[in-house]
Amino acid sequence: GQNIDQPTEMTATEGAIVQINCTYQTSGFNGLFWYQQHAGEAPTFLSYNVLDGLEEKGRFSSFLSRSKGYSYLLLKELQMKDSASYLCASQRRGNYQLIWGAGTKLIIKP
Amino acid sequence: NAGVTQTPKFRILKIGQSMTLQCAQDMNHNYMYWYRQDPGMGLKLIYYSVGAGITDKGEVPNGYNVSRSTTEDFPLRLELAAPSQTSVYFCASSYGVQETQYFGPGTRLLVL
Repeated sequence: GQNIDQPTEMTATEGAIVQINCTYQTSGFNGLFWYQQHAGEAPTFLSYNVLDGLEEKGRFSSFLSRSKGYSYLLLKELQMKDSASYLCASQRRGNYQLIWGAGTKLIIKP
Repeated sequence: NAGVTQTPKFRILKIGQSMTLQCAQDMNHNYMYWYRQDPGMGLKLIYYSVGAGITDKGEVPNGYNVSRSTTEDFPLRLELAAPSQTSVYFCASSYGVQETQYFGPGTRLLVL
């Protein structure tokens, strides 16, 4: 079947580092997306991983291990504005439908 | 560029009423999608379109219909609204099937 799991909620401190994990079981897996969604707003694109390894974009990095069906989003130097839900979504080759996780709500405390 | 726009932002419907959720994009994207998002759940694909005149069902199409007469517009029609259709509806578009999806601001629908 197709399944994606991520923690429901995480709490971190301003200025710290947090890692949000995502595990997936997707037949014909092609790649994995991370989106950020602030409360009451639309999801916005953060990263897309196709190959194994770490991709860094400023304070945000995303990692993929295809053999383990595992990805994580790493957020450094946390800011209050990073308080949001983080959605991972897996993609199958040649398929229009992304498989979405329920999202991880990240709470940042001062 | 306005990106992806949706109207209305919020609507209350009575059971059995019908309505159309509007979606438009000005990025000349071929692919467009309708999702619903329920609290604590992942996004569920309702319908998608790969180009004008071509639409197909997603994961949860029952109770909805779509049309795609132009590249820009992709309206979602709800017939005979039911409380189970209370949700937030997002429209999205992408240039290609393996490309990043860009989302509209969403329509919050309450069916009472």
